[in-house]
Amino acid sequence: DTEVTQTPKHLVMGMTNKKSLKCEQHMGHRAMYWYKQKAKKPPELMFVYSYEKLSINESVPSRFSPECPNSSLLNLHLHALQPEDSALYLCASSQVLAGPQETQYFGPGTRLLVL
Amino acid sequence: GEDVEQSLFLSVREGDSSVINCTYTDSSSTYLYWYKQEPGAGLQLLTYIFSNMDMKQDQRLTVLLNKKDKHLSLRIADTQTGDSAIYFCAEPAVGYSTLTFGKGTMLLVSP
Repeated sequence: DTEVTQTPKHLVMGMTNKKSLKCEQHMGHRAMYWYKQKAKKPPELMFVYSYEKLSINESVPSRFSPECPNSSLLNLHLHALQPEDSALYLCASSQVLAGPQETQYFGPGTRLLVL
Repeated sequence: GEDVEQSLFLSVREGDSSVINCTYTDSSSTYLYWYKQEPGAGLQLLTYIFSNMDMKQDQRLTVLLNKKDKHLSLRIADTQTGDSAIYFCAEPAVGYSTLTFGKGTMLLVSP
């Protein structure tokens, strides 16, 4: 089983709302990733967790707040977003932190629209 | 910084072969990946090749690797309309913390 699940599939939110994106994997992977993908562009890395600790934050604005409550779950809390934050948010996991022999498996994404 | 290059668009007829090309930058990359993204969907790992291989075949997919030229290609035999998607090649980023993706090649298969 190489499945990464994400909920919700679609999300529409206003600029004053607070919402959360969820990601789950049951492959025993200890590294999890959040990516943002704009239309017709490759994914851009946002955050990396390794063994439930934040390992990398790619200078993401504080209106995005990641959380890794356990080794299977990864959340992305959203608050006071801007319309330009509308994008597909992808979660991925790998057995350990991505290295030359670590393969990342992606979820289907959450399509976010900020009005 | 690193830059993985791909042609942006490829159009083929159903039943033809498709070849998607990629040029990567890091000669020390040990694994190179191809991901497929269908419209509105996430990324699906299609295949990967280890750098000590020149070729890898998996059913209709053939990956060719030219390490000297840092050139990677994905050949899809007997292309079907269901193969229409964006194909990203990717290599481990410097420091190996994540992947560096190419800009993606949109493959359009017409009946």
